[in-house]
Amino acid sequence: ETGVTQTPRHLVMGMTNKKSLKCEQHLGHNAMYWYKQSAKKPLELMFVYNFKEQTENNSVPSRFSPECPNSSHLFLHLHTLQPEDSALYLCASSQVTGMNTEAFFGQGTRLTVV
Amino acid sequence: AQTVTQSQPEMSVQEAETVTLSCTYDTSESDYYLFWYKQPPSRQMILVIRQEAYKQQNATENRFSVNFQKAAKSFSLKISDSQLGDAAMYFCAYRDPINNDMRFGAGTRLTVKP
Repeated sequence: ETGVTQTPRHLVMGMTNKKSLKCEQHLGHNAMYWYKQSAKKPLELMFVYNFKEQTENNSVPSRFSPECPNSSHLFLHLHTLQPEDSALYLCASSQVTGMNTEAFFGQGTRLTVV
Repeated sequence: AQTVTQSQPEMSVQEAETVTLSCTYDTSESDYYLFWYKQPPSRQMILVIRQEAYKQQNATENRFSVNFQKAAKSFSLKISDSQLGDAAMYFCAYRDPINNDMRFGAGTRLTVKP
């Protein structure tokens, strides 16, 4: 247990559905991240929030919409996804200050788009 | 953009033997941090070891050590006395000192044979 909790663990959704992924951390961190993990590809950094402000959007399609209401919670809202969006979505958190601080990861949400 | 390359999609090692996983990265920065993460079947990414670019001494954590070659931008992970529990995906990561992002390689799947 790393202190970062993601829900749900598994999600199957149709291309016309709207769903949200949730991430919660109680480590006192002030930076949170969304990553997409697809088979045989590097982890793709999607979004970064530092002190609740979005500091990076890595050319992610608008069908993915992040929300960070406070420094402990991070959401990823999904709508009209495509089958190629099926992947493991990982949330992570870290301290902004101090480059030596590692990122702590949740167990991910396995998303399947049908 | 910084890239992290892991050229070995899969590696295997006999139990109690030593294995080295390769990682190269690209950056124009002089100070940064590098990390190795382990992802077992449970999907939870766990930090294995970290290295600061300013330190010439290679980091060591018990059976895990790195060979950091800054000029060559190489950061390999050596696992000594391999154990069955070491079987996992291993990811090399680079921390960007400017925007705090962590960039990952595609991973190496390590199999440990009894």
